[in-house]
Amino acid sequence: EDKVVQSPLSLVVHEGDTVTLNCSYEVTNFRSLLWYKQEKKAPTFLFMLTSSGIEKKSGRLSSILDKKELFSILNITATQTGDSAIYLCAPALSSNTGKLIFGQGTTLQVKP
Amino acid sequence: DGGITQSPKYLFRKEGQNVTLSCEQNLNHDAMYWYRQDPGQGLRLIYYSQIVNDFQKGDIAEGYSVSREKKESFPLTVTSAQKNPTAFYLCASSVGQGRGYTFGSGTRLTVV
Repeated sequence: EDKVVQSPLSLVVHEGDTVTLNCSYEVTNFRSLLWYKQEKKAPTFLFMLTSSGIEKKSGRLSSILDKKELFSILNITATQTGDSAIYLCAPALSSNTGKLIFGQGTTLQVKP
Repeated sequence: DGGITQSPKYLFRKEGQNVTLSCEQNLNHDAMYWYRQDPGQGLRLIYYSQIVNDFQKGDIAEGYSVSREKKESFPLTVTSAQKNPTAFYLCASSVGQGRGYTFGSGTRLTVV
């Protein structure tokens, strides 16, 4: 059975802190891993990772994938209150279904 | 602009009633998905469809039904058999092959 575990489930930090969100997975037919940010409504795309060891960066956010250890992390440096959201990790399957298997999410709250 | 539209944004239902949530996309995507999200949790797959006139059950299909008569449309019916229907429902579409989703803005269903 496909399984995705995110940790921590929730996190409260202050502005300026750095956070690391974790995602471990066990899925068959792995193709890629995606990170999404969800504020109030639809999740918005952050990163898609397909290769191990190659860091992807976007501003203060970065992410990396380890396909040997079946693990990914999402880092956010110098956090701001606008980073408060649920962060979702989702391995994508390589079958024709294109399904994403979502973790339970990490709820991040950034206090001023 | 291409996108995916869900309606209504908010829906109230009396116990024992069936309701249908609309999802329409103009992205020419073959695959479409319905997810349910409960407060503070990740997304759970209800149904998905890879092609017109074909769909498969996800992890929590009981009490739900779908149809896929047109490529653009994938409506979800929440039936009276669904015992705990109050949730946030997200529709998504994809080109498949693990390339990630485009999400609609969601429908929040409340049973009163």
